[in-house]
Amino acid sequence: EAGVAQSPRYKIIEKRQSVAFWCNPISGHATLYWYQQILGQGPKLLIQFQNNGVVDDSQLPKDRFSAERLKGVDSTLKIQPAKLEDSAVYLCASSLEGGRDSPLHFGNGTRLTVT
Amino acid sequence: GNSVTQMEGPVTLSEEAFLTINCTYTATGYPSLFWYVQYPGEGLQLLLKATKADDKGSNKGFEATYRKETTSFHLEKGSVQVSDSAVYFCALSDFKTIFGAGTRLFVKA
Repeated sequence: EAGVAQSPRYKIIEKRQSVAFWCNPISGHATLYWYQQILGQGPKLLIQFQNNGVVDDSQLPKDRFSAERLKGVDSTLKIQPAKLEDSAVYLCASSLEGGRDSPLHFGNGTRLTVT
Repeated sequence: GNSVTQMEGPVTLSEEAFLTINCTYTATGYPSLFWYVQYPGEGLQLLLKATKADDKGSNKGFEATYRKETTSFHLEKGSVQVSDSAVYFCALSDFKTIFGAGTRLFVKA
């Protein structure tokens, strides 16, 4: 099966600019996640979708971050305006059902550098 | 809230040495526990999992046992290889999946 696809792989922007990341999950996976991984740390959950509804966005900085999942398939994560501390790898993951026993399948991530 | 704590790295071992990476967790419910691995230049991938107390997850020679009494899920391998060099993440999942900070393993030939 095809894995989780993310683009772009790398992005460099200046602070206060905007940026968007795209994710295509594994076909048939109902649950989609966006994680932020700062260098040297573990991934931190930003938002979790079940089909096209938001299940958890408690750690999403909503004043600058937004995400949507169109028709319950692809998803985009946007940052506007970016800050220096947003420099990180943004990981998209999907799982078949989203229950506690379902493992996550990750994409290769987008490495964002904010200068 | 739920949390995961794992031993700091890096861990440096010689080939064929025994590996232990410690992981402890705090959870209010009954989560599932996972180990994920990130090889150089690759994305995170599942290594093994355990879904209830006393379950043992295993894969590629790695093992971890879900210990509810000590709230631990330590990763072990009897004989590491150079190809095991990677970053290992312990994680727990109930409503959402939470990761530890990761432990980098270097294996020398």
